[in-house]
Amino acid sequence: AQKITQTQPGMFVQEKEAVTLDCTYDTSDPSYGLFWYKQPSSGEMIFLIYQGSYDQQNATEGRYSLNFQKARKSANLVISASQLGDSAMYFCAMREKGFQKLVFGTGTRLLVSP
Amino acid sequence: DAGVIQSPRHEVTEMGQEVTLRCKPISGHDYLFWYRQTMMRGLELLIYFNNNVPIDDSGMPEDRFSAKMPNASFSTLKIQPSEPRDSAVYFCASSLAATDTQYFGPGTRLTVL
Repeated sequence: AQKITQTQPGMFVQEKEAVTLDCTYDTSDPSYGLFWYKQPSSGEMIFLIYQGSYDQQNATEGRYSLNFQKARKSANLVISASQLGDSAMYFCAMREKGFQKLVFGTGTRLLVSP
Repeated sequence: DAGVIQSPRHEVTEMGQEVTLRCKPISGHDYLFWYRQTMMRGLELLIYFNNNVPIDDSGMPEDRFSAKMPNASFSTLKIQPSEPRDSAVYFCASSLAATDTQYFGPGTRLTVL
């Protein structure tokens, strides 16, 4: 069963606008962590933001915020004030308690236009 | 502080040759992970170590793949013999603790002709 689902293969946004990248997950474990990574065309995987399942507040890191809706099992990434350098692939990932491996979604390619 | 270091960044080899990928984790990190990224399968975990000991190698595709971590600052992933279907980007990642964020290296792009 797919544990992480990213339904948007590609997204387009204009510079300075906000964009939301969707991520839904599936787990029966009450303790888990959700991550977003950015992969620019150069290929490296850059950690952006983390949300723990017991965290009361949505995570924020600069222009990145995570819209965590536990009941709906969604963990959408919101990028505010998009910049040209935000153009990249974005991966949502989950780690369940007791397991060290990250399970990744298929990714969303974001293109920011001037 | 230096991040995760991988070498080589690119490797082109012929089918049947031995390939060795190298990784230096972030200093002080106790966990080291090897992932593979392909178009067909996305990102998948191959193996991970805790304090230099392999913990879970269930993701290693077959016996042609082996990984070692002789000390806390070095790990290798070896493919012998290599096949064209092994062509992928191989990432090494490390984390401070079991529940900590995994930080990735720049990856090694392997092409097997």
